[in-house]
Amino acid sequence: NAGVTQTPKFRVLKTGQSMTLLCAQDMNHEYMYWYRQDPGMGLRLIHYSVGEGTTAKGEVPDGYNVSRLKKQNFLLGLESAAPSQTSVYFCASTEAGRAKNIQYFGAGTRLSVL
Amino acid sequence: AQTVTQSQPEMSVQEAETVTLSCTYDTSESDYYLFWYKQPPSRQMILVIRQEAYKQQNATENRFSVNFQKAAKSFSLKISDSQLGDAAMYFCAYRSEDAGGTSYGKLTFGQGTILTVHP
Repeated sequence: NAGVTQTPKFRVLKTGQSMTLLCAQDMNHEYMYWYRQDPGMGLRLIHYSVGEGTTAKGEVPDGYNVSRLKKQNFLLGLESAAPSQTSVYFCASTEAGRAKNIQYFGAGTRLSVL
Repeated sequence: AQTVTQSQPEMSVQEAETVTLSCTYDTSESDYYLFWYKQPPSRQMILVIRQEAYKQQNATENRFSVNFQKAAKSFSLKISDSQLGDAAMYFCAYRSEDAGGTSYGKLTFGQGTILTVHP
């Protein structure tokens, strides 16, 4: 009963390095999301996907790219990391459609960019 | 665009007492959902309670209840008989439910309130 799994849990990068965060869900959810959490700002939506092969920009997309090649996976990429991208990143997923569907969250990834 | 505001960065409560966390939101929509999420030190986001905007009755989940004032756009969380395990960051969140389904379930979060429970 894994739910939403994020890897890695922690990562330290140097400015300019690249990395990919992986999110995997086993609930057959259509919708998936990437948020970042910063002190005093809550969670803000970076990108989201409404199905395999689709992605869309959220509130703070600059500096990030995403891909959803398989329904169960949603990848978040940083091509050239910057200190401003130091944050905690959360992936979430939910069912499609008009309903009181709950978003299920992963445990988060703490990223530090030096 | 919708906004969610939590004006209390920190709150504290004595064990077994009651505490209320405030949340206000701004929207022009009539159909939406509101949520309270709990984030303990483990960072895991846990759904505490949810409220459908079309329902006048306030939602309750055991010791957790909400005071939903649609006209005032207010959605406060009351925690009764507080326990040490309630200590966490609490987030209020808003989700559209537009007829065209183009909101895609996206959540808009408030800034969060850190709740401390004193023994």
